[in-house]
Amino acid sequence: QQQVKQSPQSLIVQKGGISIINCAYENTAFDYFPWYQQFPGKGPALLIAIRPDVSEKKEGRFTISFNKSAKQFSLHIMDSQPGDSATYFCAATGDAGNNRKLIWGLGTSLAVNP
Amino acid sequence: EPEVTQTPSHQVTQMGQEVILRCVPISNHLYFYWYRQILGQKVEFLVSFYNNEISEKSEIFDDQFSVERPDGSNFTLKIRSTKLEDSAMYFCASRPSSGNTQYFGPGTRLTVL
Repeated sequence: QQQVKQSPQSLIVQKGGISIINCAYENTAFDYFPWYQQFPGKGPALLIAIRPDVSEKKEGRFTISFNKSAKQFSLHIMDSQPGDSATYFCAATGDAGNNRKLIWGLGTSLAVNP
Repeated sequence: EPEVTQTPSHQVTQMGQEVILRCVPISNHLYFYWYRQILGQKVEFLVSFYNNEISEKSEIFDDQFSVERPDGSNFTLKIRSTKLEDSAMYFCASRPSSGNTQYFGPGTRLTVL
C-alpha cells in the first residue's frame, strides 16, 4: 500500500513534443505528490508538486494532472527540449505526523531528441 | 540560494570498514532525511530525524546504521561495517518546519569493495 507505481520506465520524445509520465498510488492517506528531476550525478531537484484538493497544476511547460478517484497523477512536459533529458521521479507522502518521508516511483528516463 | 551540501562526493571503502557520510542541511530547516539510490533503481527512504532524534527508520536502516547531528550544522550517516550491498548513492535532504518540500544534496557515491 506504500508503493508508487511509475510508467513508462523510459521515454523518447522529439523536440517540441509532449512528454507524459504516469504514476499511481494506493494509499489514500497520501496528501502531497511531488515530481523530482534528476540529472546524472546530481541529486533530485523538486520540479513541481500537487495536493489532492486540485486536479491540475501548471508551472511553465510542466503540468501535473491529478485524478483522486483513480488514484493517479501524471506529469506533462509541453514543448519538450533536449535540456529536459533527465530522470523523472514521482513521489508521495502523507504521514500523519511530521515525518513526511517520501515514497518514490521507479523513475522514468526521458530523452528528448533534437 | 541556500542548498544542501554533502561530503565527500565519492567514498571508496573496503568491506567491513566504517564510513561517515556528512551533510550540511539548509540552515533554518528542522527535518532531516537520508535516502539511498542503488544504481539504476529507485530512491529509498532510510531515516528521518527531527528534534535530535530519529522520527522513523526503514527496514534498511539496521543496527549497522546510525545518524547524528553533532553540532548545529552537520548531519551525519554512519555505517559501522560496510557490506558490498551498501554500495549506492546516498542523498541527504532537509525540510523546513512548514511545507512539504524536501531539498536534496548532490549525494555521496559510496563504493564498497
